[in-house]
Amino acid sequence: GQSLEQPSEVTAVEGAIVQINCTYQTSGFYGLSWYQQHDGGAPTFLSYNALDGLEETGRFSSFLSRSDSYGYLLLQELQMKDSASYFCAVRDSDPAGTALIFGKGTTLSVSS
Amino acid sequence: NAGVTQTPKFRVLKTGQSMTLLCAQDMNHEYMYWYRQDPGMGLRLIHYSVGEGTTAKGEVPDGYNVSRLKKQNFLLGLESAAPSQTSVYFCASSSLLRTVYLHEQFFGPGTRLTVL
Repeated sequence: GQSLEQPSEVTAVEGAIVQINCTYQTSGFYGLSWYQQHDGGAPTFLSYNALDGLEETGRFSSFLSRSDSYGYLLLQELQMKDSASYFCAVRDSDPAGTALIFGKGTTLSVSS
Repeated sequence: NAGVTQTPKFRVLKTGQSMTLLCAQDMNHEYMYWYRQDPGMGLRLIHYSVGEGTTAKGEVPDGYNVSRLKKQNFLLGLESAAPSQTSVYFCASSSLLRTVYLHEQFFGPGTRLTVL
């Protein structure tokens, strides 16, 4: 089966850099994705890594090391609006290969 | 485009009552999913569909049924609601390419269900 581990909470101040880690165990691996969810809102897609290395999208970057079964989401120049929950996810190894398995989420609190 | 919409937004049921949650998408996506979200548990897959007329079980399917009679709609049914089904339910959709190459799903706003 699949499982993902990520910290439950992270706190930081505006302007800082924060890293949210995710380790995974999967029977088949197709890549690691990240989603953001503000309180009371819907999850929204942030990034996806299929290969090892760093993917940058503005203030957010995502990293993957397949040999270590590990990835992280890096948020730079933190803003108050970045306070949200962040989920890592992998594709399930079901026959159709379309479902996602999500981690339990990391709640990021940004203070001024 | 409305994206993914869910009806209703809120609902309170009594134990044993039944209801249907409706999800609709206007992006012509092949794949649709139902998740439930409970505090500290993340998103857990209930059922999903890879095309019109097809459905499959996810991680937590017990107590739920689904139907996908039209490509744009995915219905989630609770035949006899239980307090353990109190949760926030999210519907999501995706295309083949976005799923395979990006793992990108588009989520609806959610339905907050309370079973008393």
